[in-house]
Amino acid sequence: NAGVTQNPKFQVLKTGQSMTLQCAQDMNHNSMYWYRQDPGMGLRLIYYSASEGTTDKGEVPNGYNVSRLNKREFSLRLESAAPSQTSVYFCASRSWIGSMETQYFGPGTRLLVL
Amino acid sequence: DAKTTQPTSMDCAEGRAANLPCNHSTISGNEYVYWYRQIHSQGPQYIIHGLKNNETNEMASLIITEDRKSSTLILPHATLRDTAVYYCIVRALNNAGNMLTFGGGTRLMVKP
Repeated sequence: NAGVTQNPKFQVLKTGQSMTLQCAQDMNHNSMYWYRQDPGMGLRLIYYSASEGTTDKGEVPNGYNVSRLNKREFSLRLESAAPSQTSVYFCASRSWIGSMETQYFGPGTRLLVL
Repeated sequence: DAKTTQPTSMDCAEGRAANLPCNHSTISGNEYVYWYRQIHSQGPQYIIHGLKNNETNEMASLIITEDRKSSTLILPHATLRDTAVYYCIVRALNNAGNMLTFGGGTRLMVKP
């Protein structure tokens, strides 16, 4: 199993450009998440998808859209990038068996908006 | 979810036990204590979780006080690769947000 994969690993954008961050998991998990992490800070939830076909806003959804394409894939789109969106973006999926709840994180996408 | 308080940073000698404390004095009866860590430039990694009993797995031990207001994560023989930020998270299963709330965590530096 590859776990959670993210593409691209690095990206530089100019203000106003758009891009889509890709995330896929091969663990058959229902729930998937997008977080951002700014330097020296904890993670903040942008959007999540509790199951295929549903998405919900997290703490910091402004400036982002998401698509749960199928059970495996959950993409994050920046329609008009701003310097404030410079961050590391992590995708995660959630495993839940009894009381055992675990989130598995991808390696991250490092985004710089100039 | 209950708020947690952790020291900002700690040092530990390689090969010694690392004991990372966490206060969660407002924890509710249905809330679990989770520990994750984040090694530099990587995504967070699950370590262990518990409700009220002490727990042990291949990575660490979790000691929860009887009143559940605090806990300690123990890495029994710390190695240089254990240098990371350790997050203590308290949350209920089935919470509506379905999210993990990461605070500042404890930056553990394991030194040779």
